[in-house]
Amino acid sequence: GENVEQHPSTLSVQEGDSAVIKCTYSDSASNYFPWYKQELGKRPQLIIDIRSNVGEKKDQRIAVTLNKTAKHFSLHITETQPEDSAVYFCAASRGGMGSNYKLTFGKGTLLTVNP
Amino acid sequence: DAGITQSPRHKVTETGTPVTLRCHQTENHRYMYWYRQDPGHGLRLIHYSYGVKDTDKGEVSDGYSVSRSKTEDFLLTLESATSSQTSVYFCAISGERGGRTDTQYFGPGTRLTVL
Repeated sequence: GENVEQHPSTLSVQEGDSAVIKCTYSDSASNYFPWYKQELGKRPQLIIDIRSNVGEKKDQRIAVTLNKTAKHFSLHITETQPEDSAVYFCAASRGGMGSNYKLTFGKGTLLTVNP
Repeated sequence: DAGITQSPRHKVTETGTPVTLRCHQTENHRYMYWYRQDPGHGLRLIHYSYGVKDTDKGEVSDGYSVSRSKTEDFLLTLESATSSQTSVYFCAISGERGGRTDTQYFGPGTRLTVL
């Protein structure tokens, strides 16, 4: 089955700096890669996702890049703010009805943005 | 938040007692999932459903059973709770929305403590 590795497990940055979180996956058939943000005591919430037909996607200060050859994808947050502090999870899926859209998650990265 | 509720939100029980957690959705989505979240392990899939009365095991299904008798409800049962099942349990749903089916939306979670 799919295996998703996420690094680093903790990341501390100064406000205004950039943050990068990286994930690798094992199943070459995976084609859907979402990122979730989870604030303390809250539910995971989707912040951005990418599909294998594109290499990069941006949404304001957040971007995700995908390298299918190397089987890795990354989350980039620019101009970090204290409200970006949370746990971030990456995930991978084969997509399609045959997979029942199951996701395999990385173990998470605790991002702390220091004012 | 995508019309998903979970009940109860908190529960304390004793080893050996049965426990049932409920996930309810108002989105009419086909797919429903149960995850557990533990420190250092991220989100791990317990069971999932791809339709009424259609369910299958995830990666950590031992000690758990599920049922889905109608589209909106997905029940997770611990037949005889153990301390190792102390965790936060999240339900998620996915279904056709804007031409896409692969995005999962999470419920608010249930914190279960087994003494």
